[in-house]
Amino acid sequence: DADVTQTPRNRITKTGKRIMLECSQTKGHDRMYWYRQDPGLGLRLIYYSFDVKDINKGEISDGYSVSRQAQAKFSLSLESAIPNQTALYFCATSQGNQPQHFGDGTRLSIL
Amino acid sequence: AQSVSQHNHHVILSEAASLELGCNYSYGGTVNLFWYVQYPGQHLQLLLKYFSGDPLVKGIKGFEAEFIKSKFSFNLRKPSVQWSDTAEYFCAVNDYKLSFGAGTTVTVRA
Repeated sequence: DADVTQTPRNRITKTGKRIMLECSQTKGHDRMYWYRQDPGLGLRLIYYSFDVKDINKGEISDGYSVSRQAQAKFSLSLESAIPNQTALYFCATSQGNQPQHFGDGTRLSIL
Repeated sequence: AQSVSQHNHHVILSEAASLELGCNYSYGGTVNLFWYVQYPGQHLQLLLKYFSGDPLVKGIKGFEAEFIKSKFSFNLRKPSVQWSDTAEYFCAVNDYKLSFGAGTTVTVRA
């Protein structure tokens, strides 16, 4: 089983819809992160959480929200999806400042 | 937050050629440095990391990187690439959060 599991792996939806991407981990790490990857822009941090009661905005949080339901679960929501949110989304975990471990990604297309 | 610059957007090499990818970050202080690799259709995997100590670090698959503090640089090298090294490579710097460079696509021709 994967250590960091993202669901769904692929999603196509329409503008204005609410979308939730889920991430769960079995590594016992305290920190969890959501990134989006766009060609030529690398990975940009959307939100991060250092523990269950700690949620922080990253560099591109507008239009997104998150929930850390448990140490092992961190979900990302798009309240009203728009086409420029079409991207590859990655969840990652780390224990403190140790290297991050990434999920397989969710490819999201918004029409 | 750190700004991370990767010098090359796309590098094309033949097998057995040497590879060097440049990475610079914007300011000093205590930082942790990483190189990640993303093979086609896969997630990011850690190649190597630098936290402290010997500035020349060795990673998996024959990769190494050199940290030069005075130049705010952390360049990745491999003496002889293989076709299987075709991937996208990301430099990342962690002060209080991880900042990624835009990535370098490496294409190795057989």
